[in-house]
Amino acid sequence: EAQVTQNPRYLITVTGKKLTVTCSQNMNHEYMSWYRQDPGLGLRQIYYSMNVEVTDKGDVPEGYKVSRKEKRNFPLILESPSPNQTSLYFCASSLGTGARTDTQYFGPGTRLTVL
Amino acid sequence: EDQVTQSPEALRLQEGESSSLNCSYTVSGLRGLFWYRQDPGKGPEFLFTLYSAGEEKEKERLKATLTKKESFLHITAPKPEDSATYLCAVQGYSSASKIIFGSGTRLSIRP
Repeated sequence: EAQVTQNPRYLITVTGKKLTVTCSQNMNHEYMSWYRQDPGLGLRQIYYSMNVEVTDKGDVPEGYKVSRKEKRNFPLILESPSPNQTSLYFCASSLGTGARTDTQYFGPGTRLTVL
Repeated sequence: EDQVTQSPEALRLQEGESSSLNCSYTVSGLRGLFWYRQDPGKGPEFLFTLYSAGEEKEKERLKATLTKKESFLHITAPKPEDSATYLCAVQGYSSASKIIFGSGTRLSIRP
């Protein structure tokens, strides 16, 4: 089954304790992206990757890191989490961004709480 | 700067009562406009992509239309299972591969 998976689905942590949220897709997609969703602010793009070893900042990259060493995986790293990073996080992937843009498929979400 | 504004924030309809959701956007060269449906606690689910003004797409009770400044999601004779948050997003040529989402319209259909 074609899907985007994220782990963990729920995480409660404390300020400053490094964490990684994994994202994996099995559709051989080139484009992958991370979003955070907060009430009243909608989905905001954190980072995106157009292919292996190619990443770029979205609208809210501060406090986050990403890497794309393999096509299927795109982990989100919080080196020193802070309470303002408490949010619902989504990973998404799509085939690529050629002349026409295409459908993004979203993972189930990771609810992160930073105390 | 690319921007997306959705209205209304929330909409309550009676079952069978048709209506429209609005998505106004500003972007330097539209690459694509997306509509998604999101149920509580779940990831957005793709509905439509529109590429150019005048384009229309339909799926069951939903129809999406696009002009140079806005898109509408028309819902005809909705059912309670159409209750969800509907999200609009744009991708422009000048912003590389960034995708900008609106804050969504929360739709509730009463039986």
